[in-house]
Amino acid sequence: QVQLKESGPGLVQPSQTLSLTCTVSGLSLTSNSVSWIRQPPGKGLEWMGVIWSNGGTDYNSAIKSRLSISRDTSKSQVFLKMNSLQTEDTAMYFCARKGEAYFDYWGQGVMVTVSS
Amino acid sequence: DIQMTQSPASLSASLGETVSIECLASEDIYSNLAWYQQKPGKSPQLLIYYASSLQDGVPSRFSGSESGTQYSLEINSLQPEDEGDYFCQQSYKFPLTFGSGTKLEIK
Repeated sequence: QVQLKESGPGLVQPSQTLSLTCTVSGLSLTSNSVSWIRQPPGKGLEWMGVIWSNGGTDYNSAIKSRLSISRDTSKSQVFLKMNSLQTEDTAMYFCARKGEAYFDYWGQGVMVTVSS
Repeated sequence: DIQMTQSPASLSASLGETVSIECLASEDIYSNLAWYQQKPGKSPQLLIYYASSLQDGVPSRFSGSESGTQYSLEINSLQPEDEGDYFCQQSYKFPLTFGSGTKLEIK
């Protein structure tokens, strides 16, 4: 079955770079697109970006200058890198498979706290 | 960016009742709307896509509809397991955007 699992550090210092990994199983990254979505504690969802099945990317313009999404198809992994982290970047970070127009499979999420 | 205005922010209803949650899009999104349910500490789960299509495995008491730029999620015969947060999401234009969420409490 399709599974996605996020991993990464739980604590990042302000101004540092966040690196997260989404490991997928049950689907091929060369025929599926994966998005990153985050959710600050007690708040709503923010779409961050997507890596398409062809390897192209699209980002939310609000954070585009700080964000990079890449992948390693041989390892079935998708990566998120975001620099210049601030306290407002504290959130649960999810990766999700992007179907035609919706997210049908989600990872469990990884909580990232930005604090010194 | 397309704004999704979701209402109400919270509601409380009794077992067996019917409730409706709405999302108003700031422009036409041509039925490119999904609804998700999220329970505490869990990831969102897809309920409805393309405004009214029921995701596999989702109970038929969930339904979606649209009228112009207004989209609605209706839950009939409320069950205890329906308690949680509900979000709408548009996929017509980038950036993809979500509604602010509705917290549903079952009395």
